Parts: sequence; C-alpha cells; structure tokens
Amino acid sequence: ETGVTQSPTHLIKTRGQQVTLRCSSQSGHNTVSWYQQALGQGPQFIFQYYREEENGRGNFPPRFSGLQFPNYSSELNVNALELDDSALYLCASSPRPKGYNEQFFGPGTRLTVL
Amino acid sequence: AQTVTQSQPEMSVQEAETVTLSCTYDTSESDYYLFWYKQPPSRQMILVIRQEAYKQQNATENRFSVNFQKAAKSFSLKISDSQLGDAAMYFCAYRSANSGGSNYKLTFGKGTLLTVNP
Repeated sequence: ETGVTQSPTHLIKTRGQQVTLRCSSQSGHNTVSWYQQALGQGPQFIFQYYREEENGRGNFPPRFSGLQFPNYSSELNVNALELDDSALYLCASSPRPKGYNEQFFGPGTRLTVL
Repeated sequence: AQTVTQSQPEMSVQEAETVTLSCTYDTSESDYYLFWYKQPPSRQMILVIRQEAYKQQNATENRFSVNFQKAAKSFSLKISDSQLGDAAMYFCAYRSANSGGSNYKLTFGKGTLLTVNP
C-alpha cells in the first residue's frame, strides 16, 4: 500500500510568482486536505477536497486554490506569492471526509518565497 | 471557533521514564474528536492516539495513553517507558463531529518539542 506522496520536496519562488504543489492520496482514499505549517507553528487548514469538489475551506484568501482529479490526487495552487507564504505545505488523505477517520499525512513541500 | 493550546513549547525526559504533555482546548460543541500527532524531524506526521468526546474511557495505545477531562477541556498525553525514537514535535488536534464546511478540518495546537535523553 502506497502512502501519501507530495512533490516537489522543496521549492524556491520569488514574490508575485505562482506555484503548484501536488499530492497523491493513499490508495482507497477519496478525501484530501491541505494544511500550511509556518515555522514553529501547528498546521493550519487551507481546504479539503472530496470526490473532486471543495468540501470546506479555512481562512485563506482566494489566491489559494485547488483541484482534485478523478484518481483523487490533488493540486494546491497559490497565486501572487507573498513572503508570508513561506511554509511547509502538508497534504493529508482519508477514506472519508469526516468523523473519527485518521488523516494520513504526506512528507510536505517546503516552499520558500524570496 | 475552536482553539487548541499547548502550554509547553519544550519538554525533556530520560529514556525509560514517563512524561506527560499538556493540551487544553476551547469549544462550544458537545461532540468532537481529539488527536495527538507526532512529527519527527524531517519526517511525516503520524497519528499517535485519538479520543472520541462521548467516550468517558481514556484511550490507550501501547505506551501512549491520554487523560481526557471533558469538563475541564483538557486532553493530556502520557508516554510511558520513553524511547529515543519518541523524540519529536507532538501536536494536539481537535476535529468537530458536525458535518459540513470547515467542520472537517483538524485544528492544531502549536506543538510541544519532546527531547529524550539517553
């Protein structure tokens, strides 16, 4: 059974650019959540996708957007990058969107905005 | 909105000893779930233990156990017989049992960095 994978591992961008981060969910999981983890902080919820539709969103501006594909993999897109967007971006998958279900996390993508 | 507070930024324990990590949370909901996650350096976050709020019995997983005090909104993690591999950042997290929208999210505390001394 393949776990959650994310690409790329590290990324350096400059302010104002756009970035796309990718996540492959664990086999059998149809729900993907994205989190932003700033240095020294706990992860903060960005949004969740369930069966290719956004299923909940945290307090992030519209320049943070996402997609989920028919194979349940997902992308996180961030437009007009700002210095504060520098963080570890975590993807987590689960078999269903709610309740007691464990979320399985990927290793993250470390984004640095200069 | 729910909040999770971990008041201990760092803790240390001697190998084979016991350590307790503290977590408090604030919510107006009666039904929810609580989790402890472990994030080793440069490695993936993994679930350590979880608790359903309607269950009075404290969850246990091998050397890991929780002390869940619903009225006090407290959810501490006890690690017994600490091992070097337990060294990591530990996050307490809350999830609503309600359906819809951002209720599905995990709300995390800021974490406690646990050091295990040989």
